[in-house]
Amino acid sequence: AQSVSQHNHHVILSEAASLELGCNYSYGGTVNLFWYVQYPGQHLQLLLKYFSGDPLVKGIKGFEAEFIKSKFSFNLRKPSVQWSDTAEYFCAVPGSSNTGKLIFGQGTTLQVKP
Amino acid sequence: DGGITQSPKYLFRKEGQNVTLSCEQNLNHDAMYWYRQDPGQGLRLIYYSQIVNDFQKGDIAEGYSVSREKKESFPLTVTSAQKNPTAFYLCASSIVDIAKNIQYFGAGTRLSVL
Repeated sequence: AQSVSQHNHHVILSEAASLELGCNYSYGGTVNLFWYVQYPGQHLQLLLKYFSGDPLVKGIKGFEAEFIKSKFSFNLRKPSVQWSDTAEYFCAVPGSSNTGKLIFGQGTTLQVKP
Repeated sequence: DGGITQSPKYLFRKEGQNVTLSCEQNLNHDAMYWYRQDPGQGLRLIYYSQIVNDFQKGDIAEGYSVSREKKESFPLTVTSAQKNPTAFYLCASSIVDIAKNIQYFGAGTRLSVL
């Protein structure tokens, strides 16, 4: 069965620090990967996605993620975080069969100190 | 504005009471989903529907029921059989695509037990 694991549950950084959030997946089909973000008081929204092609994908607000097939990983990165990046981040993969559902990781809460 | 509207924002349930959470979308999406979000557990799928008048159980359907009489609407009822209903409930919608569906989320309903 598909699964997603996020290693860091709570990360605290100072502004300008670099960020890397881990995501590992177990998936038997064509790999499509997502990162979603939930800012305080806002809707959960798509941050970036990988469907095919260049394994380094760029998303909104300077975020990027690298798909490493050999490591079953899709880690999220940002060179320099800002206070406004404080949010909860979720990695996700498609569910099994043709359901269209997503399997989400446990989430990582990022707190950026000004 | 296109989007997903969930109501109410906050809901309180008494013991033995059924409550219904509303979800409406004007994105013309065929697929709709209900997730439950608990701290440290990510999002877990309750029910989903890929077409009007049809829906399937997700991973944690026990104690919940849904209907899909209209394309735009996918209400969730939390029944008295759900013994631990306190959580944040998120509704989402997407096009029907096995793997590349980007899901769009509502603002959520926070349910508490009195």
